[in-house]
Amino acid sequence: AQRVTQPEKLLSVFKGAPVELKCNYSYSGSPELFWYVQYSRQRLQLLLRHISRESIKGFTADLNKGETSFHLKKPFAQEEDSAMYYCALKKGNKLVFGAGTILRVKS
Amino acid sequence: GAVVSQHPSWVICKSGTSVKIECRSLDFQATTMFWYRQFPKQSLMLMATSNEGSKATYEQGVEKDKFLINHASLTLSTLTVTSAHPEDSSFYICSARDDRGSYNEQFFGPGTRLTVL
Repeated sequence: AQRVTQPEKLLSVFKGAPVELKCNYSYSGSPELFWYVQYSRQRLQLLLRHISRESIKGFTADLNKGETSFHLKKPFAQEEDSAMYYCALKKGNKLVFGAGTILRVKS
Repeated sequence: GAVVSQHPSWVICKSGTSVKIECRSLDFQATTMFWYRQFPKQSLMLMATSNEGSKATYEQGVEKDKFLINHASLTLSTLTVTSAHPEDSSFYICSARDDRGSYNEQFFGPGTRLTVL
């Protein structure tokens, strides 16, 4: 079955520290993976997708098929990065979301 | 990015009544709309997928007679929770996508908080 696992419910780091939000997936085909972010009291929005291979707001994510992972990384966390982050897998026509990880960046 | 709106943003109703939630794509045409349910501090669970002019496709375990979905136009989908009960209290989020382009991003509404007393 297609599944997305985000093992950490909460990740708390200090400003300026590196961040890695973990995401593992199980999928029998060629996966299409995304990271979505939800800032406080705002709607869910796309952060990045693995196909684009881009860096958004300093975040990057590399698809590792061997480890079936798509971890989200940022070298230096900022306070405005505090939010809920969801990893998602496209399954056919729809998105399957992980449970989400709350990132708290402390000053 | 494109904007998806939901109305109302919150609603409180009595048990046994029906509630309708609207989802609109404001500046694009949505060939596909999705309805999700989100419990506190949990992930989004897909309830159903709808295409304009077609019947919605419901996920396993979602009662189609309980959660009526209508996608009457390319800019509007509605979710009606019929005979609502306290266990239906939740945060309902819609999402919309235009599948006719090469880059089909899914845009999310702000959500509707339903409380059933």
